[in-house]
Formats: sequence, structure tokens, C-alpha cells
Amino acid sequence: KNEVEQSPQNLTAQEGEFITINCSYSVGISALHWLQQHPGGGIVSLFMLSSGKKKHGRLIATINIQEKHSSLHITASHPRDSAVYICWMNRDDKIIFGKGTRLHILP
Amino acid sequence: KAGVTQTPRYLIKTRGQQVTLSCSPISGHRSVSWYQQTPGQGLQFLFEYFSETQRNKGNFPGRFSGRQFSNSRSEMNVSTLELGDSALYLCASRKTLVGGGANVLTFGAGSRLTVL
Repeated sequence: KNEVEQSPQNLTAQEGEFITINCSYSVGISALHWLQQHPGGGIVSLFMLSSGKKKHGRLIATINIQEKHSSLHITASHPRDSAVYICWMNRDDKIIFGKGTRLHILP
Repeated sequence: KAGVTQTPRYLIKTRGQQVTLSCSPISGHRSVSWYQQTPGQGLQFLFEYFSETQRNKGNFPGRFSGRQFSNSRSEMNVSTLELGDSALYLCASRKTLVGGGANVLTFGAGSRLTVL
């Protein structure tokens, strides 16, 4: 079992819909990160979370350390949000990634 | 401020050959880490260098190696290439290994390797 589980694996939605991507992990961590990878391959760091919630534009990330769970939300989704979203964490000085969620927003 | 630069962006090799990829981190970043991304396995951690020392390593065979120079630039080498090594190889840099916002990774655009 992967130490970091993401769901769903694939998600297709209509423009304007509220999107939720989930990331669950099995060990205690100090922080969890979210990445966005566009179709061309470029990766951008979105959030680093130790507790609570962070917001950047239409993106909101939350983490519950006790539940070992984090969510990434996109409000008023847009076709340009179409990308792969990946969560990752540090464990024993190694970096462990979720398998990613492929999001496709239809116009 | 210049981002993380990876070269070459694309390359084609044949089985048995070796390949060297280069990564120049953001100025001031002392950590460089390498990743392999394939459609089947997703992103996987290869290794991380900090101040010219390999700090940790993922579960890859010894054919995958790297080094870091005094200017923090890093190279990754794959010897005796196999078909399964075809992948996007990404590097990322960060200021330090642990702690606060300095822990955020900045990724390069990647080097896409095709092994024939």
C-alpha cells in the first residue's frame, strides 16, 4: 500500500464546478505539499501545509493532521485548471508522492 | 531570478548506452533532488544532494547515480540504459532540506529521455 493515497485518480467536470481532490497518508508528518503539473510537464508548487487551511486565488488546501488527510479544492473551476495535481510529503528524508489526480475541466 | 534549468530537454538513446542529465538550481538553493516520472509509476524520488553530498536515495538500481558540484549544479547519470528507463526526468531545488517555506521545491521543466 502506498504511503500516500490520492483520490480520485481521474476527474472530469464542467467549467464552474467545485472540485475536491483528496490525499491521505499513513504516517505522521510535519508538512504536506501540493503540486500542479500541466500537460507540457511543468510542475508548480501550490501549497505547503502544516495545519489548518491555506488559500491562493481559487485554490484552497486544508489539512487535518490527526485524521492524516488533506484536501485541495478549486472553486469556480476553469479549463485552464486542467492538470495533474500531486500531493507529496517528506518521510525519513525521502520524498514520497501520491499517484496524482488528473483533472479535466470541460468548457 | 532564473528558475531551475535542466539540459537537455529531449534526448534519444539506445539500449546499453549511458546518459548524463544536468540541473542548475535557483541561485542560493543548496539542495537538488532528482525524480523519474513515467505514466505507470507516476513521480518517483531518485536522490537528493545537499552541499555536494547525497543525503538520501530512493529505490532505484545502482545504474542511477548523481553528483553535485560546489556551485550546487547537479548531474544525473544512468548507465546501461534499458527500455524501461524511458521517462521524464525532473530535478528540483530548495534552499535547505527541512523547515518552513524554504522546504518548498522549485522544479525544472524536465529532460525527456527515450530509450530505443
